[in-house]
Amino acid sequence: AQRVTQPEKLLSVFKGAPVELKCNYSYSGSPELFWYVQYSRQRLQLLLRHISRESIKGFTADLNKGETSFHLKKPFAQEEDSAMYYCALSGSSNTGKLIFGQGTTLQVKP
Amino acid sequence: DTAVSQTPKYLVTQMGNDKSIKCEQNLGHDTMYWYKQDSKKFLKIMFSYNNKELIINETVPNRFSPKSPDKAHLNLHINSLELGDSAVYFCASSRQGLAETQYFGPGTRLLVL
Repeated sequence: AQRVTQPEKLLSVFKGAPVELKCNYSYSGSPELFWYVQYSRQRLQLLLRHISRESIKGFTADLNKGETSFHLKKPFAQEEDSAMYYCALSGSSNTGKLIFGQGTTLQVKP
Repeated sequence: DTAVSQTPKYLVTQMGNDKSIKCEQNLGHDTMYWYKQDSKKFLKIMFSYNNKELIINETVPNRFSPKSPDKAHLNLHINSLELGDSAVYFCASSRQGLAETQYFGPGTRLLVL
């Protein structure tokens, strides 16, 4: 079964501290993985996807197939990073269907 | 320019009523989706249409009926509303294909009393 697990509902850090939002997935094939973010009063938007291997707003995520993980990291958190973060998986069916994790609220304190 | 828009933004209604939520995208995408976000903020896909054709229907009750008059619009009609239908409903669109970015609407917050 396809599943995405984000074990932390809330992650609270101080400004300047490193951040790691955990994401584990369950999928038998080769998944495409994404991180979407929802800032307060804004719509859900793509933060990054693993095929692009890019860094957006200082965030990076590496796909670890051995550990079936796609953790999101940032070395120095900023207050404006406070938001809800969703890890999502798209399988190989080409339907575009996204399976989302439960979401993690990141709170960056001053 | 708003890429994906939904109306209404808020919807408060009584149990048993029928209501519709509209979604429009001006991105020229072929694929559109409806997601439901429950009170615990969990997002789950409900439907997906590609070029007006239904391609995903995720065991959603028959009371929910999506309609796509053209590829830029995907409306959601809900019959006989129940308390458990209270949620935020998000529309999204993307180009067709694997791993395409999905662009989300602002959401419609539905409250059934």
